[in-house]
Amino acid sequence: GAVVSQHPSRVICKSGTSVKIECRSLDFQATTMFWYRQFPKKSLMLMATSNEGSKATYEQGVEKDKFLINHASLTLSTLTVTSAHPEDSSFYICSARQREAYQETQYFGPGTRLLVL
Amino acid sequence: EDQVTQSPEALRLQEGESSSLNCSYTVSGLRGLFWYRQDPGKGPEFLFTLYSAGEEKEKERLKATLTKKESFLHITAPKPEDSATYLCAVRGDYKLSFGAGTTVTVRA
Repeated sequence: GAVVSQHPSRVICKSGTSVKIECRSLDFQATTMFWYRQFPKKSLMLMATSNEGSKATYEQGVEKDKFLINHASLTLSTLTVTSAHPEDSSFYICSARQREAYQETQYFGPGTRLLVL
Repeated sequence: EDQVTQSPEALRLQEGESSSLNCSYTVSGLRGLFWYRQDPGKGPEFLFTLYSAGEEKEKERLKATLTKKESFLHITAPKPEDSATYLCAVRGDYKLSFGAGTTVTVRA
């Protein structure tokens, strides 16, 4: 299957600082990438859809000024958590959509564990 | 709104004891039903995509089937390494909607 990487895998930061998470599709080009948040023992919650070269589409209730998304190339999307607070601590997972013929598959990265102190 | 319900929430199996996981869904215009495996602290790993009722896919000890209202993931003669949370998702108009998952524990 296709490979999606994320960096960093874990990050600890102080309250009020900003944190950037990178998501890369390593062996395919992805015009669309997605950012999810997962709480302990819960399923994935879609935060936003990132489209290469255009503005991200945010799900209802997700603050676009707090979670900045940039999809500058066909293999890289970034999520910046601005002015992070302890309630932003979570497991963030990105995915990239691969299109082959008529089929579309989302491949997920390994996730980034964010802890805000 | 698309909805996905997985059952049971948790499943404890003895090694070699086959079982099935259920995924019931409602979606406007199914564009694919997906099964993923997720290990603790990791991102979901893609397993299968099913597109139409009657379709089946197999991979090692796993077999996924699809009807118009639900999908089953059959685990045949499971091993401890099959322990994980299995997630079902449906693709509707533009996004994947996930179920809460079934956590499978296989004891040796």
